[in-house]
Amino acid sequence: EAQVTQNPRYLITVTGKKLTVTCSQNMNHEYMSWYRQDPGLGLRQIYYSMNVEVTDKGDVPEGYKVSRKEKRNFPLILESPSPNQTSLYFCASSPALEGEQYFGPGTRLTVT
Amino acid sequence: QQQVKQSPQSLIVQKGGISIINCAYENTAFDYFPWYQQFPGKGPALLIAIRPDVSEKKEGRFTISFNKSAKQFSLHIMDSQPGDSATYFCAPYRGSGNTGKLIFGQGTTLQVKP
Repeated sequence: EAQVTQNPRYLITVTGKKLTVTCSQNMNHEYMSWYRQDPGLGLRQIYYSMNVEVTDKGDVPEGYKVSRKEKRNFPLILESPSPNQTSLYFCASSPALEGEQYFGPGTRLTVT
Repeated sequence: QQQVKQSPQSLIVQKGGISIINCAYENTAFDYFPWYQQFPGKGPALLIAIRPDVSEKKEGRFTISFNKSAKQFSLHIMDSQPGDSATYFCAPYRGSGNTGKLIFGQGTTLQVKP
């Protein structure tokens, strides 16, 4: 089944404890992206990747890192999480920038 | 920064009624105008999209109307059903020459009452 998977789905952590949210797609898509969703603010792009080893900042990249060593994986790294990073995170992929974005199921992160 | 403004923020419609959600944008270079639908606990999924060479596209009960001069496009849901209750996002963008940045609207929460 063609899909985007994210792990974990739910995470509660403490301020400053490094964490990684994994994202994997099995559709051989070149483009991948991370978003956070907050009430009243919609979906805001954190980072995106046009292809392997090519990443760039979205609108809200502060406090986040990403890497794209393989085409299928695009992990989101929070080196020192803070409470303002409590949010719902989505990974998405598409075969090219033009066209449908396929979203993962989301990761709900709480930082205390 | 490219701006995308979606309205209304929330909408309550009776079953069988028409739901209308609007998306206004600033960048005249946008050439792909999608609407995404998100159910609670799920990721967004593409619902319907339009390119600027047509002014309207219909898929079942869902219609996109595109007004290039006004720089806005709308989603119309005819004969709205309780199963349409979801959050809707517009996400216009420029396909060719885009650096990869995508901007979504703020979202519209639709509730269809039985």
